[in-house]
Amino acid sequence: AQSVAQPEDQVNVAEGNPLTVKCTYSVSGNPYLFWYVQYPNRGLQFLLKYITGDNLVKGSYGFEAEFNKSQTSFHLKKPSALVSDSALYFCAVRPLAGGYNKLIFGAGTRLAVHP
Amino acid sequence: DADVTQTPRNRITKTGKRIMLECSQTKGHDRMYWYRQDPGLGLRLIYYSFDVKDINKGEISDGYSVSRQAQAKFSLSLESAIPNQTALYFCATSGTSGTGGNTFGSGTRLTVV
Repeated sequence: AQSVAQPEDQVNVAEGNPLTVKCTYSVSGNPYLFWYVQYPNRGLQFLLKYITGDNLVKGSYGFEAEFNKSQTSFHLKKPSALVSDSALYFCAVRPLAGGYNKLIFGAGTRLAVHP
Repeated sequence: DADVTQTPRNRITKTGKRIMLECSQTKGHDRMYWYRQDPGLGLRLIYYSFDVKDINKGEISDGYSVSRQAQAKFSLSLESAIPNQTALYFCATSGTSGTGGNTFGSGTRLTVV
């Protein structure tokens, strides 16, 4: 079965330190990969995506993500965390096989950035 | 105005009642989706529609139905609400290529008592 795993329920980081939120996937072929962020009482907001090309993609709010095909991973990173980055982060994968290419979401990782 | 608008934002209903959640969009997208979010489970797909005449079940469609009234409108109904349908519900849209990801509404928090 196709799936997306975010192995950490919560990541704690001190402000100013680098952060990594992990994502691995089990999907056949070469899917499209996405990261979304959810702030309290809000919908999901698009952060960045990998479609093709350079394995390091840059997105909103200083976030970037690194695609690793051999490890089927798409980890979210930021060089210097801000308290305002505290939110719930979702990794999502859009398989390209099967006709209807729907997004499959991970369970989410809560990022807590401490002053 | 938001690109994807969901109404109501919050709703409390009783077990056994029928309830409809509405979604409208100004993105001009053909594809629309309904998800539910539960803590620790991420977002799970309930139904999706790739155009007005194309509606499909997602992974958790039991107990739900949908109606695609127009390209811009996609409503979700709970025919007889039960407490384990208490969740946060999101409507989303996407373009046909899939490369742009989904655009989400702000969600409807539904509580079934």
